[in-house]
Order: sequence, then C-alpha cells, then structure tokens
Amino acid sequence: LAKTTQPISMDSYEGQEVNITCSHNNIATNDYITWYQQFPSQGPRFIIQGYKTKVTNEVASLFIPADRKSSTLSLPRVSLSDTAVYYCLVGDSGAGSYQLTFGKGTKLSVIP
Amino acid sequence: GAVVSQHPSRVICKSGTSVKIECRSLDFQATTMFWYRQFPKQSLMLMATSNEGSKATYEQGVEKDKFLINHASLTLSTLTVTSAHPEDSSFYICSAPKAGLAGGPGETQYFGPGTRLLVL
Repeated sequence: LAKTTQPISMDSYEGQEVNITCSHNNIATNDYITWYQQFPSQGPRFIIQGYKTKVTNEVASLFIPADRKSSTLSLPRVSLSDTAVYYCLVGDSGAGSYQLTFGKGTKLSVIP
Repeated sequence: GAVVSQHPSRVICKSGTSVKIECRSLDFQATTMFWYRQFPKQSLMLMATSNEGSKATYEQGVEKDKFLINHASLTLSTLTVTSAHPEDSSFYICSAPKAGLAGGPGETQYFGPGTRLLVL
C-alpha cells in the first residue's frame, strides 16, 4: 500500500483558496487517489477521487501531475465549516474491495 | 453519494460486557466491509476486513477472539467487542466500497458515521 505524506496542519482565512499537497512517491500503476474530510466524532466523508490530470466536482478540485507522485486538493473560497482533517489516500480501487491506509492527515483551520 | 449507517452511534458499557456494533450499506450491496478504530487525535487504523459469507481477516495485532466480525448479508456487517475493557474505549468506524462512482471505473469507499464506545 502506497504511503502518503501531508502537512500536519494548515491555517487559512475565510474566503481564500486552500491547496493541500500530498506526496505518494511509490504509487502503483493501478492506484487511485482519494481525498476525505473528517469532522470530530464523525466518519470520513468522500471529497474527490482521481487517477491523473485534473478532476473537479462541486466542492473541490484535484490536481495530479503526470508522474502521479503527488496530488493537490484545492478548496475554493473556504468557510469556517471547512475546518476539518483532510486525508489523502491511495489504493487500487479497480481491484475490488481495496483497503485504505490512513496517514495522519492535514488539520485545516479556517480563521474568520 | 452512497450511504453507510452504523448503530448505535454511542454506547456506554461496564467492563467485562460485550457490545455489538452494526454497519449497514443502505443503498448498495457490499461483499466486503472494513472496520477501523480511531483514538482521540489520531488517524483511523484498520482493524479487519469483513467478508460476506466467509471469515474476516484481521490486521496484525488485532485479536480476532476479542473483536468478532460477522458479515451475514450483503448489506450488514457486525462488530462485537467481547469482554470490553476501558482500553477498548474508542471511536469505531466502518466502510464499504461502491463501484462506479466518483467519475471513474474504480471503487470508492464510503464510511459510516462512527460509533463511540466508552467502557467504564
């Protein structure tokens, strides 16, 4: 299972764009990259998933360079409610019921 | 997105008793589900993989006789903490994979809301 490295914490003001970068140097060919958000005492919530290039949905964008050794989650115009821990995970989601190994995540604090 | 539920959301029990936690996939079937444990200010740690119709597989260091897992149907997995002790107090979270979402061909893991266990 590919190991991921993220910053432990980040601070941002409301309304700013936040970019969280994750390193996954030994990502395998079949691995997808998935980001989750977790609030205290809640289960992780799916944010976005990608394999390569750029993926965008209604809440975030995911940028993946050609070598796929890193990825960047971009949250546009964050609000106080975006204060949470964000986890980057990689796994072979095409292989049927793959396991996820959680790293320490990035604690994002949004400041008014 | 897919919905995974857990019951109960929180439970308090006396030391030595057993506690059962249910994990259900509400709008999809899952032949495999995963159980995690999360201690305060720490990340999720995978405990075991629950397999429908067969035995669960446990991560190293997780006692299979203490954490009994039963995956009786394609939408339900249960985790029973037997003879619970205060050190078992934690936040237990399950997940289930659903295919074909997130714009890609692969699977996406969806997590339950978690169960807070406090053993006195």
